[in-house]
Order: sequence, then structure tokens, then C-alpha cells
Amino acid sequence: GENVEQHPSTLSVQEGDSAVIKCTYSDSASNYFPWYKQELGKRPQLIIDIRSNVGEKKDQRIAVTLNKTAKHFSLHITETQPEDSAVYFCAASERAGGSYIPTFGRGTSLIVHP
Amino acid sequence: EPEVTQTPSHQVTQMGQEVILRCVPISNHLYFYWYRQILGQKVEFLVSFYNNEISEKSEIFDDQFSVERPDGSNFTLKIRSTKLEDSAMYFCASSGLGTVPEDEQFFGPGTRLTVL
Repeated sequence: GENVEQHPSTLSVQEGDSAVIKCTYSDSASNYFPWYKQELGKRPQLIIDIRSNVGEKKDQRIAVTLNKTAKHFSLHITETQPEDSAVYFCAASERAGGSYIPTFGRGTSLIVHP
Repeated sequence: EPEVTQTPSHQVTQMGQEVILRCVPISNHLYFYWYRQILGQKVEFLVSFYNNEISEKSEIFDDQFSVERPDGSNFTLKIRSTKLEDSAMYFCASSGLGTVPEDEQFFGPGTRLTVL
């Protein structure tokens, strides 16, 4: 089955700095890579995703890059703000029927200091 | 904006007891999921459900677990005989038609299950 490794487990930055979270996956059949943000005690929420037919996707201060050859993908957050503080999970998934079954990484706790 | 809802928010039970966790997916969604998250750990897939049957399940989803869609709105997860290690946050999720952009899974707020 799929195995997703995520680093670092904790990331502490100053407000305004950039943050980068990296993930690797093992199953070359994976073709959909969502990123979730989970604030303390709340539900995971999708913040950005990328499919295997593109190498990069950007949405305002958030961007994700994918290297299929190396089987790794990264989340980039620029101009970080205190409200970006949360646990971020990457996931890799292969389409199963009409849906995607994600395998999650262990999460990165991002702390943005004002 | 429609949301997935779950009840109860917190369930405390004794080891060996049966529990039923309830979810109301977003009304026009067709795919339903259960995940669990042990405190401080990653989210783990349990089961997916489509067209009134299980479509995928993980190795965690053993004979102690079952899912049901008893009516047109509820989606339930039953644990027959709870164990201490079942203590976790259980998330329900739903997604749409299975075609871009409906693949996004929307998560409920979770039910925290504590087994004593």
C-alpha cells in the first residue's frame, strides 16, 4: 500500500517568513495529492490540491509543487500570518472507483510567531 | 454553505460496549467515508461507502466495525465491542459525484470516542 512521509513534524517561523513542508510517497499509481489544514480541535479542511498531470499550483499565499519522478510534493506558504498556525497534513491517493482514498502523512505543526 | 454534521461530539463508553457514531453527509453527495485520528497522530482511512455498499476498507476496519445508511440522510459507524485502543476522534466525510472538481472530501467536526 501507499506510504507517505512528511517533514518536518514541527515548524516554527516568524510572521512574514515563508514555510515549506515536504512529503514523499511510495506508490507511483497515486495521482491526487491534497493538503489539509487542521486547527486545534477542529475538522481537517482542504486548502489546496494537485493532480499528477501538473507540476505546480498556486492559490494566493499557498502553492504546492509535485515531482512525480522523485515522488515528492511540497507545500509552500509565503508571508505567513499567526492564523496560519495549525497542523498541516499532506496526503497521496489513487482513484478508487469514483472517489479518492487518501493516505495521510503524520502532520506538521506550524507555529507562526507574531 | 452546507456542512457535514456528526453526533455526538463526545462519546464515553465502557470497554466491550457497542457504540454508534452518527453522521449527516452533505445532501447531494454520493460518497461517504469514515476516518479515525488517534490523539496526536495522523488521520487514518477506515471505510468508504457508495451506492449502499462498502467500496473500500482498510485493515483497521475489521469485523468489529460496520457502516450503514439507514435512511436518505444518516450514515452510521458501529463498533460492536469497543476496546481501549478504539479511543480516537472519528471523522465522517462526504464527496460528490466523483468527477473533477467534486472529488474534494468535506469533513465533519468529528466525534471524540473515549473507551474506559
